Amino acid sequence: GENVEQHPSTLSVQEGDSAVIKCTYSDSASNYFPWYKQELGKGPQLIIDIRSNVGEKKDQRIAVTLNKTAKHFSLHITETQPEDSAVYFCAARGTALIFGKGTTLSVSS
Amino acid sequence: EAGVVQSPRYKIIEKKQPVAFWCNPISGHNTLYWYLQNLGQGPELLIRYENEEAVDDSQLPKDRFSAERLKGVDSTLKIQPAELGDSAVYLCASSWGHSGANVLTFGAGSRLTVL
Repeated sequence: GENVEQHPSTLSVQEGDSAVIKCTYSDSASNYFPWYKQELGKGPQLIIDIRSNVGEKKDQRIAVTLNKTAKHFSLHITETQPEDSAVYFCAARGTALIFGKGTTLSVSS
Repeated sequence: EAGVVQSPRYKIIEKKQPVAFWCNPISGHNTLYWYLQNLGQGPELLIRYENEEAVDDSQLPKDRFSAERLKGVDSTLKIQPAELGDSAVYLCASSWGHSGANVLTFGAGSRLTVL
């Protein structure tokens, strides 16, 4: 079955810096790659997703890139703000949606 | 519009006691998911329903866990008897259509503590 590895597990940046989180997946049949943000005491919330026929997608300060050959995808957050502090999960879907273990992002002002 | 509603938000029980969690999905979403989230981990799928049918329950520990979605709308997840290792957050999510290209919307979760 699908296996998703996510790095780093923790990431600390200064406000205004960029943050990058990377994920790899194992199932070459996976075709959908969402990213979720989870704040304390809340459920995960979708922030951006990408499908296998697209290499890059951008939405304001966040972007996701996908390299199907290498089976990895990344989340890029530019001009980070304190409210970006949360746990971020990548996921990949082949027959089921499988999540990575999460990255705790801390943005200090 | 209300999102995915879960209750209770918090539950503390003694081991060997039963517990039940309830989920009401977004109106019109025919696919419902129960996920388990252990501390510091990503969500793990327990069961997926399409309408009333459980189409993927391969990760549900059937000796103590059960779920139902009788009318294809809300759902209940039950644990009987609970064990210490069941302490976790139980997340419900819903989406429309079939399991293909759909966006999952999660509820806030039910946090279970087993003493």
